[in-house]
Amino acid sequence: KNQVEQSPQSLIILEGKNCTLQCNYTVSPFSNLRWYKQDTGRGPVSLTIMTFSENTKSNGRYTATLDADTKQSSLHITASQLSDSASYICVVSARSGGGADGLTFGKGTHLIIQP
Amino acid sequence: GAGVSQTPSNKVTEKGKYVELRCDPISGHTALYWYRQSLGQGPEFLIYFQGTGAADDSGLPNDRFFAVRPEGSVSTLKIQRTERGDSAVYLCASSLTWTPNTGELFFGEGSRLTVL
Repeated sequence: KNQVEQSPQSLIILEGKNCTLQCNYTVSPFSNLRWYKQDTGRGPVSLTIMTFSENTKSNGRYTATLDADTKQSSLHITASQLSDSASYICVVSARSGGGADGLTFGKGTHLIIQP
Repeated sequence: GAGVSQTPSNKVTEKGKYVELRCDPISGHTALYWYRQSLGQGPEFLIYFQGTGAADDSGLPNDRFFAVRPEGSVSTLKIQRTERGDSAVYLCASSLTWTPNTGELFFGEGSRLTVL
């Protein structure tokens, strides 16, 4: 069964600090991995999409890494800001399986940035 | 419109009532998806449309749930005889490509359904 596990479940850090969120998956055959940011009461917004051949991708202060051999991804946030407080959802796409949409969603990491 | 639009943003209803949730996708996006998200969970797939037809409705939890997309644009998710367990945020997403697992998904803000 395709699964996506995220850790930690929740995280509190001080403004200006860095943090790293983890995503482990057992989705096969792998197509791509996505990180979404979901603000409270809003819909998810895409941060990055990484294919098998990409092992790092940046979007501003967000840097995602992918190790397709160990089936792990991380999302690193640099110099955190209060607006980074949100849930971060890892989504892995398979060429088959998952939902009929081919996507398997993690439960998300709830990040709180404190001033 | 510029993004995926969902209405209502909030709906409170009583157990046993019928509700409709509407999704207006990004213009030109042929693929449309409905998800359900409970507190602290990731989105759960419900149904996927390619054009007017439901390409796969295997995620619908039971026959109280039904969705339509009659003209290949706006979609309505219909829930009959609502139960308290139906309380969740219902997310709609659209995609330009018909290939669901490679296309970029654009989500709406969701419709929060509360069944009392």
